[in-house]
Order: sequence, then C-alpha cells, then structure tokens
Amino acid sequence: EPEVTQTPSHQVTQMGQEVILRCVPISNHLYFYWYRQILGQKVEFLVSFYNNEISEKSEIFDDQFSVERPDGSNFTLKIRSTKLEDSAMYFCATRGSGLSYEQYFGPGTRLTVT
Amino acid sequence: SQKIEQNSEALNIQEGKTATLTCNYTNYSPAYLQWYRQDPGRGPVFLLLIRENEKEKRKERLKVTFDTTLKQSLFHITASQPADSATYLCALVDGSGYALNFGKGTSLLVTP
Repeated sequence: EPEVTQTPSHQVTQMGQEVILRCVPISNHLYFYWYRQILGQKVEFLVSFYNNEISEKSEIFDDQFSVERPDGSNFTLKIRSTKLEDSAMYFCATRGSGLSYEQYFGPGTRLTVT
Repeated sequence: SQKIEQNSEALNIQEGKTATLTCNYTNYSPAYLQWYRQDPGRGPVFLLLIRENEKEKRKERLKVTFDTTLKQSLFHITASQPADSATYLCALVDGSGYALNFGKGTSLLVTP
C-alpha cells in the first residue's frame, strides 16, 4: 500500500541553525500539508500546498518557515533559524483529489533544538 | 473561536467491552467529521469520515455517530482488544485548504 515517507526520522540541531525536513508524498496525491505536534500537545496545522503554491497557512507558519516541491516528488519544510520552541514532531500529510477528504500522514520527523 | 473537545482523561476498559469516545465542537458547521488513530511517536492514521447527512457510519468493529444539533460525534469500538490501545483524534476541516483541526485526543487503554 502506498505510504508517505519522511526523512530524517530524528534531527538534532542548534538554535539558530537552518533545518530542512523532507517528505515523499503518495505518488498520485495532489494536496500536501505540514503539521507539528509538540510533546504532550495536539497536532497543529502549519501549511497546505497545492499546485505548487501555498493554499493556506496558520499563525505558526511565520517568515521563518518555507515550503517547496523542488523536484516534483519531494515536499520540503525549511525552518530558517530554529528556536528552542520549534522542538516538536513534524508530520507531512497528503490528500488525493478534491473529493477525497481523508489525509495520509507520514511517520514524522522528531526535531530537537538545543 | 472554533474548538474541538475530547475527553481529556484516559479511558481504561476491559478487553471485549465497547469503548465510547466523545468529540464535541463549537463554532463549526462542518460538512463532515473525521476520526484518526495515533500511536505513540507515530503519525495519525485515518479511520473514518462521517458526513453531516449521515447519522451513523460503521467499519468493522468501529462505529461513528454524528449529531449536528448537539454538535457531537461519538466513536465506538466494539469487542475491544489490547491492540486497540492508542490515542483517538477527532478532526474537523478548517479553511479552504482543507487543513485539519484536531482535538487533543482521548487515550484508550484496553486491558486483557
């Protein structure tokens, strides 16, 4: 069964460093999302991406964050200058067509900022 | 503001019993509601979607009800098994990009 994959599974970085989290969506899916989950808290929406542009973003997704689909397969989330409070699990999710509402999540990247 | 509330306390039940989890929402008029399962350290896994014109939906041992008047959904697992132990998340769509707004989830523990 097709699945969403994410790399790396765990990333440790120092405050102020840039990180790039990678996702390979399910191949025929058109809608892509990033969510994060701080330890012990709920899953929170960051950004949605469709047709090579951001379709929606939350208040969390400030100028430090960016997304792109550089090669038509990978979907990346970049955090330019990490802060301690960026430590969380980051999940990529994908959705098929406009009429399919369920989302398929990857296994996540655990980001630890020290 | 829009809110989704799920039982904050963990639910402990015995194997074979029916687990019932509650999701209440405010300031939404959802066309559909979704339930996901999340295991520790893993991403959410889609379980069921129920539309506003459906009162009940079933999938194997799972049953979801949706009452748009009460603004509530109930999620039932019948004949529960220890493998059903996980956190169950209720989710509503928020915005035009179909982003999901999740509740905090209810932790279910099924003991033999």
